[in-house]
Amino acid sequence: AQSVTQLGSHVSVSEGALVLLRCNYSSSVPPYLFWYVQYPNQGLQLLLKYTSAATLVKGINGFEAEFKKSETSFHLTKPSAHMSDAAEYFCAVSDPGANSKLTFGKGITLSVRP
Amino acid sequence: DGGITQSPKYLFRKEGQNVTLSCEQNLNHDAMYWYRQDPGQGLRLIYYSQIVNDFQKGDIAEGYSVSREKKESFPLTVTSAQKNPTAFYLCASSVQGTNDEQFFGPGTRLTVL
Repeated sequence: AQSVTQLGSHVSVSEGALVLLRCNYSSSVPPYLFWYVQYPNQGLQLLLKYTSAATLVKGINGFEAEFKKSETSFHLTKPSAHMSDAAEYFCAVSDPGANSKLTFGKGITLSVRP
Repeated sequence: DGGITQSPKYLFRKEGQNVTLSCEQNLNHDAMYWYRQDPGQGLRLIYYSQIVNDFQKGDIAEGYSVSREKKESFPLTVTSAQKNPTAFYLCASSVQGTNDEQFFGPGTRLTVL
């Protein structure tokens, strides 16, 4: 069964600093991987998606993630944090099968200090 | 504008009452999903449907029921059998299967008093 581990529940950075949110996955086959963002009391919005086309995936709002098979990781980064990046971030994994389910990590809350 | 609507935004019910949460999409997506979100728990799948008149249980289906009579609608009923129904409920849809991007509605916060 597939699973996702997001280490830590809360990350705090200063405005302009590097953002690094970690995600490790477990899957029996090469997976599809997703990062979603959720602002308070709202639904989730897709940041980026990995589907085996390229290991470095660029998303919206300046975010990107790198798929590392040897480390079973898909960490999310942004070179310079902005106040508007404060939100909850979810990593998710699915096996590329017809009836596979999307499994979410527990989420990481990102705070950005002025 | 295309998207997913959920109503109401906030819902209060007395313990022991059934309640139905609405989810409508005009994206012409085949697949629809219901998730439950609790603080620190991430999203957990309740039910999903990949085609009209067919749906499957997710990881936490006990105490919930759904129907999929129309492509654009996927209502969720929280029954009195659900032990701890207070939560934030999210509906999503995708073109077909879960390998496609899922589009989420704004959510319904259910509080059972």
